[in-house]
Amino acid sequence: DVKVTQSSRYLVKRTGEKVFLECVQDMDHENMFWYRQDPGLGLRLIYFSYDVKMKEKGDIPEGYSVSREKKERFSLILESASTNQTSMYLCASSLGGDLTDTQYFGPGTRLTVL
Amino acid sequence: DAKTTQPPSMDCAEGRAANLPCNHSTISGNEYVYWYRQIHSQGPQYIIHGLKNNETNEMASLIITEDRKSSTLILPHATLRDTAVYYCIVRVGSAGGTSYGKLTFGQGTILTVHP
Repeated sequence: DVKVTQSSRYLVKRTGEKVFLECVQDMDHENMFWYRQDPGLGLRLIYFSYDVKMKEKGDIPEGYSVSREKKERFSLILESASTNQTSMYLCASSLGGDLTDTQYFGPGTRLTVL
Repeated sequence: DAKTTQPPSMDCAEGRAANLPCNHSTISGNEYVYWYRQIHSQGPQYIIHGLKNNETNEMASLIITEDRKSSTLILPHATLRDTAVYYCIVRVGSAGGTSYGKLTFGQGTILTVHP
């Protein structure tokens, strides 16, 4: 079974803090994705990566950065957290080569920025 | 990617089959039908996908009409743990285009399984 894990299920941070969200997959997948999910807005793609050290912006990259130093790990960084970044953050991975391969999700991190 | 239409909610008795419909009348020839579900406050879970033929796995069956304009996800023996939001998604099955592989979830169908 594909296993995608995220470092925290729930996180509370203060405005202006730097926030790190970690995602690890154990299936040697090439592609990894970060989404945020908000009521009424559905799933929105923040960043994705198709190889180590490679990253591409998604639809809403502003205020975020990512890091992929190892194949199994994809980190999302909020440089200076703001209240409008309060959301459910979802990491996903897919096999590789083709970005449209089936994506498998982690359990999500519910981030609250006060 | 083509848009999909699903009923906002459905009920099902435990142990009975749950049949979740999805309309995708503008689907293109290279677009697959995917189903995911999301239990409250958890990440989406992949269920099944297909192109033309009916598909079955350990979780569900997917029936796609011959004209591919609609499909039905079947959970053969629903349990209380199947209560979730079910998303039907249509997306291209090969690299290319401008969607860079992102998934787009609509509103989905809230399936409630009753004892």
